[in-house]
Amino acid sequence: SQQGEEDPQALSIQEGENATMNCSYKTSINNLQWYRQNSGRGLVHLILIRSNEREKHSGRLRVTLDTSKKSSSLLITASRAADTASYFCATDANQAGTALIFGKGTTLSVSS
Amino acid sequence: NAGVMQNPRHLVRRRGQEARLRCSPMKGHSHVYWYRQLPEEGLKFMVYLQKENIIDESGMPKERFSAEFPKEGPSILRIQQVVRGDSAAYFCASSPATGNYQPQHFGDGTRLSIL
Repeated sequence: SQQGEEDPQALSIQEGENATMNCSYKTSINNLQWYRQNSGRGLVHLILIRSNEREKHSGRLRVTLDTSKKSSSLLITASRAADTASYFCATDANQAGTALIFGKGTTLSVSS
Repeated sequence: NAGVMQNPRHLVRRRGQEARLRCSPMKGHSHVYWYRQLPEEGLKFMVYLQKENIIDESGMPKERFSAEFPKEGPSILRIQQVVRGDSAAYFCASSPATGNYQPQHFGDGTRLSIL
């Protein structure tokens, strides 16, 4: 079953604007991760946020986690054309945190 | 510092043939995961292996699919008697250890096309 669901499915913005993507999940988690996938490539790990954390930053990325609402958001500030990609949230599927459950992703297009 | 290496990048098979997908984890990583991605979909977990052991195969179809991670050499995902529905991108990921806070590092995938 789908654990993470990203919203929106697709997002088009201009360079310099901010992009916000949301993710909702169903069951309790140990951590939530965000990945980026460029067309035809594998996934690149962006950031991991633990269940006891509420916000985390990495460069132009800001991730929030609200465990009471079972939701997370990924904010990319001052977007660039190179940020064009699909973005996926992933949660751990079991207590051991081995398998990841991915949503369907948000496709971000940044035009210059 | 090589990342996760998958080969081949593209594989074409006819219905009924066998497909073998290979994955070499990052250096120092002893945990391997296989995922399948259908068009416009997220990745679906298939199997998790450590050297010579299958730890979790809950996402793998019971028939025609098998996986191994031998003591020496890459991990292999094997699909016997392929059908059109097996067409997908198959991704391998590795991590240095298991646990709640270990990100997985992905290869660029094998695109399997069934004629």
